[in-house]
Amino acid sequence: AQSVTQLDSQVPVFEEAPVELRCNYSSSVSVYLFWYVQYPNQGLQLLLKYLSGSTLVKGINGFEAEFNKSQTSFHLRKPSVHISDTAEYFCAVINTGGFKTIFGAGTRLFVKA
Amino acid sequence: DGGITQSPKYLFRKEGQNVTLSCEQNLNHDAMYWYRQDPGQGLRLIYYSQIVNDFQKGDIAEGYSVSREKKESFPLTVTSAQKNPTAFYLCASSLEADQPQHFGDGTRLSIL
Repeated sequence: AQSVTQLDSQVPVFEEAPVELRCNYSSSVSVYLFWYVQYPNQGLQLLLKYLSGSTLVKGINGFEAEFNKSQTSFHLRKPSVHISDTAEYFCAVINTGGFKTIFGAGTRLFVKA
Repeated sequence: DGGITQSPKYLFRKEGQNVTLSCEQNLNHDAMYWYRQDPGQGLRLIYYSQIVNDFQKGDIAEGYSVSREKKESFPLTVTSAQKNPTAFYLCASSLEADQPQHFGDGTRLSIL
């Protein structure tokens, strides 16, 4: 069965520092992978997606993620964070051609001045 | 601009009452979803619909019901059988089931 594990529930970081939010998944078939961001009292917004092709995916707001098939990981990175990046981030996976997206439990990124 | 509209933003339910959450999209998407979000937990799928007049139960469908009479609309009814309805409810849509989802801004449901 599919599953997604976000390895950190909270990540505090200082402004302008780099950050990595970790995501591992399990699936026996090929997958599509997504990262979403949620600001307080709002819905989720798509940050980036991996469907096929290059394993390094660039998204909005300076975020990028790398698909590592051998390690079944899809970690999210940003070289320099801003206060405005404070939010909850969700990793998600779906089997190619599947019907149900599985979301991780979320990682709360807290950027400190 | 295309998007998903959820209403109301806040909703209060009395004991024994059914309430209906609205979800409308103008993205021309075939697939629509309802999720429940509780603090510290990810999104849990309540119901999903891949096409008009068809929908399937998700992981936590008990105490909820839906309809999909129009492509644009996917209302969720929280029935009195749902004993713990307090949560943040999110509606989403996608062009096809395995594509990225677009989300509404949610409805926060509380018990009076």
